[in-house]
Formats: sequence, structure tokens, C-alpha cells
Amino acid sequence: GNSVTQMEGPVTLSEEAFLTINCTYTATGYPSLFWYVQYPGEGLQLLLKATKADDKGSNKGFEATYRKETTSFHLEKGSVQVSDSAVYFCAASGGSNYKLTFGKGTLLTVNP
Amino acid sequence: DAEITQSPRHKITETGRQVTLACHQTWNHNNMFWYRQDLGHGLRLIHYSYGVQDTNKGEVSDGYSVSRSNTEDLPLTLESAASSQTSVYFCASSGGSTSGSIASTDTQYFGPGTRLTVL
Repeated sequence: GNSVTQMEGPVTLSEEAFLTINCTYTATGYPSLFWYVQYPGEGLQLLLKATKADDKGSNKGFEATYRKETTSFHLEKGSVQVSDSAVYFCAASGGSNYKLTFGKGTLLTVNP
Repeated sequence: DAEITQSPRHKITETGRQVTLACHQTWNHNNMFWYRQDLGHGLRLIHYSYGVQDTNKGEVSDGYSVSRSNTEDLPLTLESAASSQTSVYFCASSGGSTSGSIASTDTQYFGPGTRLTVL
């Protein structure tokens, strides 16, 4: 089955710093790749997705590019804000079975 | 707007009691999922359903059951609650609507979660 590995946190940054959260996957076939964000006390929200190699997903200043050659989907943001403090999950689809495989999550804290 | 809701948001129960957590979605999605979230384990799939009368076991299904009698609801039942089932539970849905409109079939949309404590 699929597996997703993302960098362990916690990650602590100062406001306006550059963010990278690494994510790699193993999968049969060509999964769709996702980043979800979970704010304190809430459910997961889709942040961005990419469905094929070299696709770039982007939303709210966050970006991630589907790299088939390195099986990676790293999340980046050029200038983080305090409001970006949350847990970030990388996920890969299972193809025809509609299931998602999640990484264990990375806690990001941004200090003013 | 379409949404997915869970109830109750918080529940405290005693060991051995039967507990049912509700999940209701108005996306008209075919697929529904239950996860539990625990520190150090991320999200783990409990059960899932691809449509009415269809249910499947996930990776941590022991002690849990689901039934799907309509498109909108997938209640999760803990037959005899155990302290190891203290967790935060999330419901999610995905997939094309039963009305036939096209939607992204693999993007999952999550409810707000239910925090369950078993004493």
C-alpha cells in the first residue's frame, strides 16, 4: 500500500520566515497528492492538491510541486504569518479506492 | 453551502457503554470515512463506505462498527467503549454525487471532530 513520510516537528519560525515542510511518498501508480491544514480545535481543511507529475498546487501563499522523480511534494511558503500556526498533513490518494494515506503531521508555530 | 457535521462535539462515557457518534454530510458524496487522531499516530482509518449498504474495515476497526442506510449519514458505534478508544474522531466524505454531477472524487472534506473520553 501507499505510505507518506513527512518531516517531524515541531517547527518553530519567526514571522516572515521561509517555510519548508518535506513530504515524500511511496505508491503504486500515480496518486494525487494533498496538503491539509488543521487549526487548533478544528477538523482538517484542504490546503492544496496536485494530481499529476510537475503540477504545482497553490493556495494562501503556500505552494507544493508534484515531483515524480524524487517522489516528493514539499510544502513551501515564502513569508509565514502567526495565523499560519497549525498542524500540516501531507496525504496521497490510493487511486481507484478513494482512500487517502496521511503522514503523521507537522506542528508549525509562528512567533511574532 | 454543503457541509459535513458531527455530533456530539464532546462526549464523556464509561468503560463498557455503547456509544454512537453521528456524521452527516450535505455534499451528496458517495464516499464516507471515519478516522481517529491520536498524538504520535496521525490519522488512522477506522471504517469507510462507498455508498448505501456498503461498509469496509480500515486499519483500526476492532471495537467499532458502522452502517450506511442513506447517502447523508455514517454513524460510528463503539460497541463496548474502552479507555484505549479515548481519542478525537473525524468523519470525512468524498466522491461524485449520487445526482451524477462531476466532482473531485479523491479530495476528502472533513467534519469538525468529536472528542471522546472513556473513563
